[in-house]
Amino acid sequence: EDQVTQSPEALRLQEGESSSLNCSYTVSGLRGLFWYRQDPGKGPEFLFTLYSAGEEKEKERLKATLTKKESFLHITAPKPEDSATYLCAVQRMGGGATNKLIFGTGTLLAVQP
Amino acid sequence: ETGVTQSPTHLIKTRGQQVTLRCSSQSGHNTVSWYQQALGQGPQFIFQYYREEENGRGNFPPRFSGLQFPNYSSELNVNALELDDSALYLCASSLDGTPETQYFGPGTRLLVL
Repeated sequence: EDQVTQSPEALRLQEGESSSLNCSYTVSGLRGLFWYRQDPGKGPEFLFTLYSAGEEKEKERLKATLTKKESFLHITAPKPEDSATYLCAVQRMGGGATNKLIFGTGTLLAVQP
Repeated sequence: ETGVTQSPTHLIKTRGQQVTLRCSSQSGHNTVSWYQQALGQGPQFIFQYYREEENGRGNFPPRFSGLQFPNYSSELNVNALELDDSALYLCASSLDGTPETQYFGPGTRLLVL
């Protein structure tokens, strides 16, 4: 069964304190792994897509990496505005509905000034 | 701003009632997906519509049904509401049926008493 597990569930950082969020996955044929940011009361906002092991993507203070079993979202020198829930999702190859994503439960990140 | 809008923003119903949630897609997007996000959980795929036809469904019972209209707006209908249906319902539209072009709306918060 396809599964996505995120850790930690919650993370509290001081401003400027770098850290990483983990997303481990089990899927029968990965088409893509997606990272989203979700603010309270809002829908998920797309950050990155990774397709193959070894791939890396960067955007401002965020960097996503992918291996055959997990992905990391590295946050360098975070600011309070980076506080949000970060969701990881996978899409299976040939899984029927093109947009069906399997989400993890997310990591709630709080960055204190 | 993503351009995907949902109505209403909040809704309270009682067990056994029926509810209709609405979604207006971003301009030019012909695919709509619906997700259910329970508190503290990641979104779960309900179904997807492409050009007015359902083309993929998650593990949800038949009392969850939908429609897509010629202007690509969409409805989610839930019959015989249960307490566990309380959740944030997210609509997402995409340009070409891929998650890479998918934008989420802000969601409708449904509370079933």
